Amino acid sequence: NAGVTQTPKFQVLKTGQSMTLQCAQDMNHEYMSWYRQDPGMGLRLIHYSVGAGITDQGEVPNGYNVSRSTTEDFPLRLLSAAPSQTSVYFCASSLEGARETQYFGPGTRLLVL
Amino acid sequence: SQKIEQNSEALNIQEGKTATLTCNYTNYSPAYLQWYRQDPGRGPVFLLLIRENEKEKRKERLKVTFDTTLKQSLFHITASQPADSATYLCALDKRGTDKLIFGTGTRLQVFP
Repeated sequence: NAGVTQTPKFQVLKTGQSMTLQCAQDMNHEYMSWYRQDPGMGLRLIHYSVGAGITDQGEVPNGYNVSRSTTEDFPLRLLSAAPSQTSVYFCASSLEGARETQYFGPGTRLLVL
Repeated sequence: SQKIEQNSEALNIQEGKTATLTCNYTNYSPAYLQWYRQDPGRGPVFLLLIRENEKEKRKERLKVTFDTTLKQSLFHITASQPADSATYLCALDKRGTDKLIFGTGTRLQVFP
């Protein structure tokens, strides 16, 4: 099993550009989530999904969209990037929910100029 | 407001000693509390999970306690080694939701 994979590893964007951060898991996990990590702020929950076709907002959802058309994939979209979205983004998955072991991807480092 | 607090300052201890990290929370009533380890440039890795009806959980050199009255969890690493140097994150479920909320983490440095 590859576990949780994220692409790209690193991305530079200009303000106003859009992009999609990819996340995939091959463990047949129902629950997937996106976090951002900034110095001194810890991991902050952006969006999460409890299964295909179901998504919900986390604690810091503004500026981000998600969809979950398959169990395996959970992409995160930035529609119009802002410098405040410069961060490291982590995707995670678990078998059924937030009360279980979370498996994290390696992260995507995003720089918005 | 809701908060999860971990020591923001790094914890420096000597090899062989016991490291104790603290996680305090305010205005949450979690059913579960988890601890993760994160190395620089990598994603967090799960270590231990403890339920609200459990006082203590152990795994090899690791021990976690969960006091719902004090709203606190303690994470202990006994016989610490330089390889234990990392940032340790606590996380709790926001009851009534499917959200997992993380603390800011504590950096542990074990020196020989």
